[in-house]
Amino acid sequence: GAVVSQHPSWVICKSGTSVKIECRSLDFQATTMFWYRQFPKQSLMLMATSNEGSKATYEQGVEKDKFLINHASLTLSTLTVTSAHPEDSSFYICSARPSGAYNEQFFGPGTRLTVL
Amino acid sequence: AQSVTQPDIHITVSEGASLELRCNYSYGATPYLFWYVQSPGQGLQLLLKYFSGDTLVQGIKGFEAEFKRSQSSFNLRKPSVHWSDAAEYFCAVGEPNFGNEKLTFGTGTRLTIIP
Repeated sequence: GAVVSQHPSWVICKSGTSVKIECRSLDFQATTMFWYRQFPKQSLMLMATSNEGSKATYEQGVEKDKFLINHASLTLSTLTVTSAHPEDSSFYICSARPSGAYNEQFFGPGTRLTVL
Repeated sequence: AQSVTQPDIHITVSEGASLELRCNYSYGATPYLFWYVQSPGQGLQLLLKYFSGDTLVQGIKGFEAEFKRSQSSFNLRKPSVHWSDAAEYFCAVGEPNFGNEKLTFGTGTRLTIIP
């Protein structure tokens, strides 16, 4: 149990286009989901916390208009990278906290974004 | 704000040897502590966690970690490593703020296993 999926697993796009990444909790409901960014050989940096039915909370330095997060249901959160540029190329990982659980996050397999 | 330090960027051990990965944290109160493992191109898998109680925590795949408050440490250990343990290991500290728990990760330790 407690499986989190991400789609797509990898994506290549042209500079200036937008890319949507989906994060789904497959066998549990998640009131809260988290989006992380990981640069090569570096740690995960929390970008934003997404709560179902409300606006996401972004970490300092993360552009909310560039990284649009929608958490419309208890099993799905989406991250849209708008007007992507090469510097947005990274590994994006989501995690989901089961509703009612406390300090328990399950991570997705990640999405590799390459912007040309 | 909390922070996590993993002093060793890369560790190489022989298969069958023992392993200890270091983790030090900074947090004002008793934190929630985690160890995760990441294989190349993959997400994170939880190895073990400490919230309270017994300071020696057992995890999956034969790993254990010990919380030492006096040293602000949460080192990960395994008595005998296997080639499949080669991966990146991340220590993380959780902020016990119910409903909005955020994790702060260390920079990771890459483990290489030699035959």
